[in-house]
Amino acid sequence: GENVEQHPSTLSVQEGDSAVIKCTYSDSASNYFPWYKQELGKRPQLIIDIRSNVGEKKDQRIAVTLNKTAKHFSLHITETQPEDSAVYFCAALRGIKQGAQKLVFGQGTRLTINP
Amino acid sequence: AAGVIQSPRHLIKEKRETATLKCYPIPRHDTVYWYQQGPGQDPQFLISFYEKMQSDKGSIPDRFSAQQFSDYHSELNMSSLELGDSALYFCASRGAPPGRAPGELFFGEGSRLTVL
Repeated sequence: GENVEQHPSTLSVQEGDSAVIKCTYSDSASNYFPWYKQELGKRPQLIIDIRSNVGEKKDQRIAVTLNKTAKHFSLHITETQPEDSAVYFCAALRGIKQGAQKLVFGQGTRLTINP
Repeated sequence: AAGVIQSPRHLIKEKRETATLKCYPIPRHDTVYWYQQGPGQDPQFLISFYEKMQSDKGSIPDRFSAQQFSDYHSELNMSSLELGDSALYFCASRGAPPGRAPGELFFGEGSRLTVL
């Protein structure tokens, strides 16, 4: 089955600096990689996703890169703001057909933005 | 826009009791997922349903069971509750617009189960 490893587990950056979170996956058949932001006690919220036919995707201050050969993908947040403080999860899903297999989450990264 | 609805939002039970969580997916979403998230942990996949049939199974204990009904809502039944079952339980649904690949999973607000 799929296994997703996420690093680092905690990350502290100064406001305005960039933050990078990295994930690796094991199942080469995985082809959908979302990133979720979760605040304490709340549901995971999708912030960006990428499919395996794309190498990079950007949405304002957030970007994701995917290296299929190395089976790793990264989240980049630029010009960080205090409201970016949260736990971030990467995830991988094998198959995009209906009824596809489970979405497997990484262990999470607690991001703290210091003012 | 309609979201994934979970009930109850909070539930307190004693050890060895039973609990039932309900999930109402977004209309026209035909895949439902259940996840368990302990304090400080990542969400752990329990079980999923596609078109009312179980499609995948994860780390769901034998004491738990789930099903999806004809109206696509799903219920997670938990029996012989243990202290370690205290967690946030998320339901998520997924669907595909006609002619397009399925998109993101949409999560409900979660049901917080506390076992005393």
